Amino acid sequence: EVQLVETGGGLIQPGGSLRLSCAASGFTVRNNYMNWVRQAPGKGLEWVSIIYDGGNTHYADSVKGRFTVSRDSSTNTLFLQMNSLIADDTAVYYCARWSMGQRAFDIWGQGTIVTVSS
Amino acid sequence: QAVVTQEPSFSVSPGGTVTLTCGLSSGSVSTTHYPNWIQQTPGQAPRTLMYNTNTRSSGVPDRFSGSILGSKAALAITGAQADDESDYYCVLYMGSGVWVFGGGTKLTVL
Repeated sequence: EVQLVETGGGLIQPGGSLRLSCAASGFTVRNNYMNWVRQAPGKGLEWVSIIYDGGNTHYADSVKGRFTVSRDSSTNTLFLQMNSLIADDTAVYYCARWSMGQRAFDIWGQGTIVTVSS
Repeated sequence: QAVVTQEPSFSVSPGGTVTLTCGLSSGSVSTTHYPNWIQQTPGQAPRTLMYNTNTRSSGVPDRFSGSILGSKAALAITGAQADDESDYYCVLYMGSGVWVFGGGTKLTVL
């Protein structure tokens, strides 16, 4: 079965760091364009970052310089390292695959909740 | 980064037709933005309804259709049903490895 499962969310103080994981099954992370998308409480979806199959990465301005996306081929897992966290980073974080062939966000995870608060 | 615009809310009667739109604060939406329409009900994960402008995801009824209307991407729903009541987001590829979501449209069926 093709699926994505996010873990690693939790309560973290402002200025702290957290690493989210997204375990993939049914396909290979390193051969795909993998994204992080977040949703603050009561707000809309916000694209956060992408890692291409070739390893290039891109970020939304709101997280540039603080967040780093990476992957591990041995565990077929996508990561999001989040540093210097602020209250505005409080959100549900989803990983999603962008299908290059279909031009589609075709697989979504169920999300993991990150709360930044003192 | 560019701003993607959507109607904040829309209401449609059961059985009625509604067209949601997705525009840009500057410029026109085209097929090269690869518009995707995402459906989300409260407390649930997002689900892609329509991709690459006008291709329905598996299992999506043909009551849903996507297009470019003038300078905007559009999602039309015909024969609206109660379970179409959801939040609908469009997302556009802006180039240079950046995607941008619209603010979403809350669709009410009543």
